[in-house]
Amino acid sequence: GNSVTQMEGPVTLSEEAFLTINCTYTATGYPSLFWYVQYPGEGLQLLLKATKADDKGSNKGFEATYRKETTSFHLEKGSVQVSDSAVYFCALRGNNQGGKLIFGQGTELSVKP
Amino acid sequence: GAVVSQHPSRVICKSGTSVKIECRSLDFQATTMFWYRQFPKQSLMLMATSNEGSKATYEQGVEKDKFLINHASLTLSTLTVTSAHPEDSSFYICSARGDSFNEKLFFGSGTQLSVL
Repeated sequence: GNSVTQMEGPVTLSEEAFLTINCTYTATGYPSLFWYVQYPGEGLQLLLKATKADDKGSNKGFEATYRKETTSFHLEKGSVQVSDSAVYFCALRGNNQGGKLIFGQGTELSVKP
Repeated sequence: GAVVSQHPSRVICKSGTSVKIECRSLDFQATTMFWYRQFPKQSLMLMATSNEGSKATYEQGVEKDKFLINHASLTLSTLTVTSAHPEDSSFYICSARGDSFNEKLFFGSGTQLSVL
């Protein structure tokens, strides 16, 4: 079945450091891929998405490229801020899944001043 | 953006009691709601999908008599954990989707259930 694997946290970085959170997936067909972010005390929010191979999703300085050849959707940001501290979830939605999302286990990011 | 309110955020109960968790869409009609469960350091696991006015569809391995889901209106779905046991302790999250949002999902902030 479909699955998502993302790097374990917590990840601790200094402000302005480069961020990469790895995400790989297993799926049949051509899933849509997502990154969600959960700030402390809040619900998950969609950060970015890509719906087909080679698409790049971007938002708030974060980027992720849908790589079908490596079945990956790694999240990157060139310069993190303290306000980026949160838990990040990679997710996929298979074709004709009625909106059902399969999530990775989440990666906690802590950015220190 | 759309808001989904989930209540309570935290609940502690005795073993054998039932707990109800509410999920409300505040500014849109939620045609479909999803209930997830998350253990520490693990993925969000989909428990069930509910469509307004019909019975919920449960994922394999989820006991429908234990986790009662009601989606009686377009703005409210409830999850009731019946006869809770310590192994039911977990973080429960709802999400909602309305047709007008082209399948975009909005999430509640979650409920931490602790069964003593």
